[in-house]
Amino acid sequence: AQKVTQAQTEISVVEKEDVTLDCVYETRDTTYYLFWYKQPPSGELVFLIRRNSFDEQNEISGRYSWNFQKSTSSFNFTITASQVVDSAVYFCALSDTEYGGSQGNLIFGKGTKLSVKP
Amino acid sequence: GAVVSQHPSRVICKSGTSVKIECRSLDFQATTMFWYRQFPKKSLMLMATSNEGSKATYEQGVEKDKFLINHASLTLSTLTVTSAHPEDSSFYICSARPDRGFFWGNQPQHFGDGTRLSIL
Repeated sequence: AQKVTQAQTEISVVEKEDVTLDCVYETRDTTYYLFWYKQPPSGELVFLIRRNSFDEQNEISGRYSWNFQKSTSSFNFTITASQVVDSAVYFCALSDTEYGGSQGNLIFGKGTKLSVKP
Repeated sequence: GAVVSQHPSRVICKSGTSVKIECRSLDFQATTMFWYRQFPKKSLMLMATSNEGSKATYEQGVEKDKFLINHASLTLSTLTVTSAHPEDSSFYICSARPDRGFFWGNQPQHFGDGTRLSIL
């Protein structure tokens, strides 16, 4: 069975601090995709990143970086020099396929609420 | 990029009312769409998978007679909450999976902005 665990329910930091959001996943598939989404208070889901299981390179996008480690089944997300606008709920998600076969269902973690205080 | 329009964004109505929520893919065809429900401070829970031209597939524990899904075209799925009660108050989000041949970017599903349903 597929499962995504985000052990941190809530994190509170002060602006400019670095913060890492943890994500651990379970799957029996050899091909799979991992995602991070941001959900601000307004409710919409904002796509941040996709990573496929064959690409273990870490990725950096501005203040955001992601660390994918298959050995520990983790896909952690770090925000450097956090800002108040980063306050949101962040979801990690797992999908077994891009197309075809199954429905490409997204399995979401429970989310981590990040509060960045000025 | 792929856009999914969800309407209305907010509904407040009396108990016993039926409420219809629309989910439209604006620049791609989607044989498959998904409906999620999110309780406050909780994760997104898949309610059902909507398939154009056939019956929706409901997740365990979701009442199909309560949450009617109609996927009448390749760009539109609707969720009707029938005889809504306060316990149905929630945030409902739809997503659409682009059919093969359409650009889908980095995501298997593209999300609408959600509908906040409040039943008084």
